[in-house]
Amino acid sequence: DAKTTQPNSMESNEEEPVHLPCNHSTISGTDYIHWYRQLPSQGPEYVIHGLTSNVNNRMASLAIAEDRKSSTLILHRATLRDAAVYYCILGNMEYGNKLVFGAGTILRVKS
Amino acid sequence: GAGVSQSPRYKVAKRGQDVALRCDPISGHVSLFWYQQALGQGPEFLTYFQNEAQLDKSGLPSDRFFAERPEGSVSTLKIQRTQQEDSAVYLCATLSEFWAPLHFGNGTRLTVT
Repeated sequence: DAKTTQPNSMESNEEEPVHLPCNHSTISGTDYIHWYRQLPSQGPEYVIHGLTSNVNNRMASLAIAEDRKSSTLILHRATLRDAAVYYCILGNMEYGNKLVFGAGTILRVKS
Repeated sequence: GAGVSQSPRYKVAKRGQDVALRCDPISGHVSLFWYQQALGQGPEFLTYFQNEAQLDKSGLPSDRFFAERPEGSVSTLKIQRTQQEDSAVYLCATLSEFWAPLHFGNGTRLTVT
């Protein structure tokens, strides 16, 4: 399974943008980059995913490096409700869309 | 509509007891996954169903773990002769189409004493 590397934790101020990095140097051409987040006492929830081009949705933006060896999840204005563990995951059709989670990044948001 | 529902929400078992954890998927979701999440760690894949067929059980940690989905809808994860190391949150996730996002339930927290 392809691996990702994320910082253990990050801190942000409320109302400011947050950039969560992810390295995936062994990514293959067919791997999608997925982001999920997990709030306390809840199951993970989908945030965004992409293959090559940058992606935007109502929750966040995903910026993918040209060589695809890294990506950044961007929360445009952090709120206290965004405090969670954020997981960057590589998913491949070959493995039946089985997602292999790492330890993720704990995001703390200060008011 | 309703999300993925898991029951019970909490389960306390004495070491050696058998437990059964239930997952009610979102209606129409053909793919179903079970994950195990230890405290402070990310979820770890256990097994995967497509309808009633169990296509991947490579993550089941031992033969004490058994999962079924007999009619392609509700799934049950059974753990026989529970051990303390089985204490974890067990998460169920489903999806409607191959590249659709996974929808997770809130899990069952199992504590083995």
